[in-house]
Amino acid sequence: DAGVIQSPRHEVTEMGQEVTLRCKPISGHDYLFWYRQTMMRGLELLIYFNNNVPIDDSGMPEDRFSAKMPNASFSTLKIQPSEPRDSAVYFCASMPVVGTDTQYFGPGTRLTVL
Amino acid sequence: AQSVTQLGSHVSVSEGALVLLRCNYSSSVPPYLFWYVQYPNQGLQLLLKYTTGATLVKGINGFEAEFKKSETSFHLTKPSAHMSDAAEYFCALGYRSGYALNFGKGTSLLVTP
Repeated sequence: DAGVIQSPRHEVTEMGQEVTLRCKPISGHDYLFWYRQTMMRGLELLIYFNNNVPIDDSGMPEDRFSAKMPNASFSTLKIQPSEPRDSAVYFCASMPVVGTDTQYFGPGTRLTVL
Repeated sequence: AQSVTQLGSHVSVSEGALVLLRCNYSSSVPPYLFWYVQYPNQGLQLLLKYTTGATLVKGINGFEAEFKKSETSFHLTKPSAHMSDAAEYFCALGYRSGYALNFGKGTSLLVTP
């Protein structure tokens, strides 16, 4: 099993540009989570999906952020336009069916917005 | 409201010494509690979890944690620290079937020779 795959691992962009982060969950997992990690705020849940449907997006900071899960094997987190305060490490995690409780994290994407 | 507090953002221990990382929680419903570890430039990995049943939970790499409802705590311990234990440790709280987790701020563990 390849684990959760995220791309790119590092992204450097300029303020105002669109950024798209990608995640491939573990096959067969029903839940997918997007987190953001910063020194100031720690690890924050942004949004999560169940069977490709967004369940809770209350953690999405503002309208500049959007997330999609068009199928069970792919999700994107888009920031448009990006701002320097969006600089963080973004993690994707997946979880199998209810009852196991364990989230499996990807290696993260380190985003730097100049 | 559900919340987790990790006491001490940095903990330093000598190799071979006891590791104790503290976590207190606040929850109005029976909690699900987790400890995750993050090594540099990597994602989080589950160390152990408590959902129901036995309050002393054993995890990977020799770690264990005890759920104490009366103290609203879920402290992580390891009898003897190894250099390889140096990492960031996160306590997390869920409130039903682990759907979404509230993470603590993390504790950075330093192990000195």
